[in-house]
Amino acid sequence: QQQVKQSPQSLIVQKGGISIINCAYENTAFDYFPWYQQFPGKGPALLIAIRPDVSEKKEGRFTISFNKSAKQFSLHIMDSQPGDSATYFCAASNEGSGADKLIFGTGTRLQVFP
Amino acid sequence: EAGVAQSPRYKIIEKRQSVAFWCNPISGHATLYWYQQILGQGPKLLIQFQNNGVVDDSQLPKDRFSAERLKGVDSTLKIQPAKLEDSAVYLCASSFSGGETTEAFFGQGTRLTVV
Repeated sequence: QQQVKQSPQSLIVQKGGISIINCAYENTAFDYFPWYQQFPGKGPALLIAIRPDVSEKKEGRFTISFNKSAKQFSLHIMDSQPGDSATYFCAASNEGSGADKLIFGTGTRLQVFP
Repeated sequence: EAGVAQSPRYKIIEKRQSVAFWCNPISGHATLYWYQQILGQGPKLLIQFQNNGVVDDSQLPKDRFSAERLKGVDSTLKIQPAKLEDSAVYLCASSFSGGETTEAFFGQGTRLTVV
């Protein structure tokens, strides 16, 4: 019940295209859903996050869509650029529990070709 | 603002040896996490501290792993004795409790290879 399932494992997109990564969770107590971006040799860095009281959040070219009833959320990268090539992790946590550890998905390696 | 500092960046040891990792969180961050990231997988929480107290260590293999956070600032993670399956990147993260979000800021990690 603590798992966060992420797909696809890898994604190849042409420059200017749309990248879509999907995640699903089981634990309805999760109340915080961030996406992290990780470049080789670096630690993950927060990209964008959403809470269950909204269905969509947009920051620049990055959008999270959240479906509470389906327990799914996805990351959309519009106008994908070669600089977006990285590994993306979805995550979930129960901030209200006091033990707000992040449960990470398995990651999606995105490659954007010019 | 200085980020989360970790050392060393890389470590190669033989199985059954011991190793220690050090983390200095962002100043003012009360919460500190140690995550293990095996190649091709997402980070997995090993232990979470709030100031110098342990909040969650349910996934820490306590027969070989130990961690401490003296004075509620720096932290060390130790493995003794190491096994081949401990080869991974060990990530330290910190967050500020009491803000709008509990965004975790990660260090660059220590890549451990056990041979």
